[in-house]
Amino acid sequence: AQSVAQPEDQVNVAEGNPLTVKCTYSVSGNPYLFWYVQYPNRGLQFLLKYITGDNLVKGSYGFEAEFNKSQTSFHLKKPSALVSDSALYFCAVRAGDTGRRALTFGSGTRLQVQP
Amino acid sequence: NAGVMQNPRHLVRRRGQEARLRCSPVKGHSHVYWYRQLPEEGLKFMVYLQKENIIDESGMPKERFSAEFPKEGPSILRIQQVVRGDSAAYFCASSPKNHNQGTGAGNTEAFFGQGTRLTVV
Repeated sequence: AQSVAQPEDQVNVAEGNPLTVKCTYSVSGNPYLFWYVQYPNRGLQFLLKYITGDNLVKGSYGFEAEFNKSQTSFHLKKPSALVSDSALYFCAVRAGDTGRRALTFGSGTRLQVQP
Repeated sequence: NAGVMQNPRHLVRRRGQEARLRCSPVKGHSHVYWYRQLPEEGLKFMVYLQKENIIDESGMPKERFSAEFPKEGPSILRIQQVVRGDSAAYFCASSPKNHNQGTGAGNTEAFFGQGTRLTVV
């Protein structure tokens, strides 16, 4: 079975400071990893994905994530947070080669950026 | 280039009524997924469909819930005899044909609609 853990319900950071939102996963075989962001009363917007290749993935709005196979982690990062980054962030995984095609999501981390 | 369209955005039903949620995927996408999000929780997979076929319904409750994706028209998630516990946001996602086909191929992300918020009173 595949699973995703987002250990922090909420992350608070001051505007201009770097931010990290943590994610660890469990999946059989090679993982396909995704980050999505959800603004209030909206659907999910895709941020970035790791499929293969370079462990550091760059995505939308200045976000990036680092795939660490030994630690089974895919933490989301941004060098300088903006107030407008405040939202709910979801990490998701699915087995890349075989298995279920649907995504398994973490429980989400609420990012609050203070001005 | 319209994204995934879900309607209605908000749906209120009394206990015992039926709820029908519609999802039109991105044009050209042939794979549709339904997820449910309870308040303050992540999304839980319900069902994965291709045109006229249910591929994976392992997340669907055994009773009262059904889904279809006909050859023509939107995908429909149907909940019969709704109960208060069905109150949630229901999200549809779509992806193109090459999503997870073969070994390692199909690596595109799924695109999500804005969801239907079902309230059972």
